[in-house]
Amino acid sequence: LAKTTQPISMDSYEGQEVNITCSHNNIATNDYITWYQQFPSQGPRFIIQGYKTKVTNEVASLFIPADRKSSTLSLPRVSLSDTAVYYCLVGDRVSGTYKYIFGTGTRLKVLA
Amino acid sequence: GAVVSQHPSRVICKSGTSVKIECRSLDFQATTMFWYRQFPKQSLMLMATSNEGSKATYEQGVEKDKFLINHASLTLSTLTVTSAHPEDSSFYICSARPGQGGSNQPQHFGDGTRLSIL
Repeated sequence: LAKTTQPISMDSYEGQEVNITCSHNNIATNDYITWYQQFPSQGPRFIIQGYKTKVTNEVASLFIPADRKSSTLSLPRVSLSDTAVYYCLVGDRVSGTYKYIFGTGTRLKVLA
Repeated sequence: GAVVSQHPSRVICKSGTSVKIECRSLDFQATTMFWYRQFPKQSLMLMATSNEGSKATYEQGVEKDKFLINHASLTLSTLTVTSAHPEDSSFYICSARPGQGGSNQPQHFGDGTRLSIL
């Protein structure tokens, strides 16, 4: 199964770019990589998804190397409101059913 | 788009009570929904996969008779915690994937249900 590994925590200052890397050595050929943001007592919120190379949307960029064994979420110019836990998720279809394993997540703290 | 509504947001009840949690995809159809549990300061743990029109698939260690899942339509899945006990207290979160097919459709999550059993 595609288990993910992320740094447990990171600190940053307002206005800085933050890069969070996720390792997923056992990613399957058909799996996409999805990143979520979670605030306390809320469900995870979708940030971005990609399969390979680079994906960018209005809030983040996702960089995926050719071997797809890792991915990096890039948050440009973070603000205090970006303080949250960030999860990368790689789906794995086993015998026709989906197995999703959330890693520990990265607790990002943005400082003023 | 891709809004998932979960209800109720918080439940406090006595031990032995059964509690039903609803998960609705508001603006899309979802043949597959997922139920997770999250303990404080921990990650989400997948409990079961809910498939429209068929039986749910439970993860190892999750009692299917304890956590009843019904996915009666393409927009609604319910989780019933039967005869709840204090150790069932947790944050329960559902998610739904639009459409069918491969893993290129991301899950979209509800805002969770905080269950507290006294």
